[in-house]
Amino acid sequence: NAGVTQTPKFQVLKTGQSMTLQCAQDMNHEYMSWYRQDPGMGLRLIHYSVGAGITDQGEVPNGYNVSRSTTEDFPLRLLSAAPSQTSVYFCASSYSIPYGGQETQYFGPGTRLLVL
Amino acid sequence: RKEVEQDPGPFNVPEGATVAFNCTYSNSASQSFFWYRQDCRKEPKLLMSVYSSGNEDGRFTAQLNRASQYISLLIRDSKLSDSATYLCVVLDQGGKLIFGQGTELSVKP
Repeated sequence: NAGVTQTPKFQVLKTGQSMTLQCAQDMNHEYMSWYRQDPGMGLRLIHYSVGAGITDQGEVPNGYNVSRSTTEDFPLRLLSAAPSQTSVYFCASSYSIPYGGQETQYFGPGTRLLVL
Repeated sequence: RKEVEQDPGPFNVPEGATVAFNCTYSNSASQSFFWYRQDCRKEPKLLMSVYSSGNEDGRFTAQLNRASQYISLLIRDSKLSDSATYLCVVLDQGGKLIFGQGTELSVKP
């Protein structure tokens, strides 16, 4: 299994540009999520999905869109990039919603995004 | 007030030392608790879950105090390879993971 994969690893954008961060998993996990990590802030949840066709907002959803057309893929779209979106983005997946502490979240290697 | 708070450190300790991290959470309805480890510029990885009865995994011991709403991680006999950032994570009643900002540990020879 490749686990959770993310592309690209690095990206530089200009303000106003749009782009899509790709995330895929081959573990047949239903639950997938996107986080951003900024210095001193910890990881913050952007959007999540409990299965194909179902998405919901997390703590910091503004400026981002997601869709979940397949179980495997969960792309994150930046509609009009802003310098405040400079961050490290992690995608994660688990077999189900992590109730009861039984479901480990597997993280992808991250995408480092710089918006100028 | 942040939902999950940790001392950011850094904690600088010699090899062989015992080090303890604490974490507090604000939502008394939180469901489950975890410690994740994150190496520099890498993704977080689950270190251990935290149970009310306390649990141990080798040199690592985790404790939960629901009354005081804090979680602790104790590392005994520190190794150089323990150097990393340790993230306290709480599962809220909506099924979302809430991360602390992390505590940086540096173990020196």
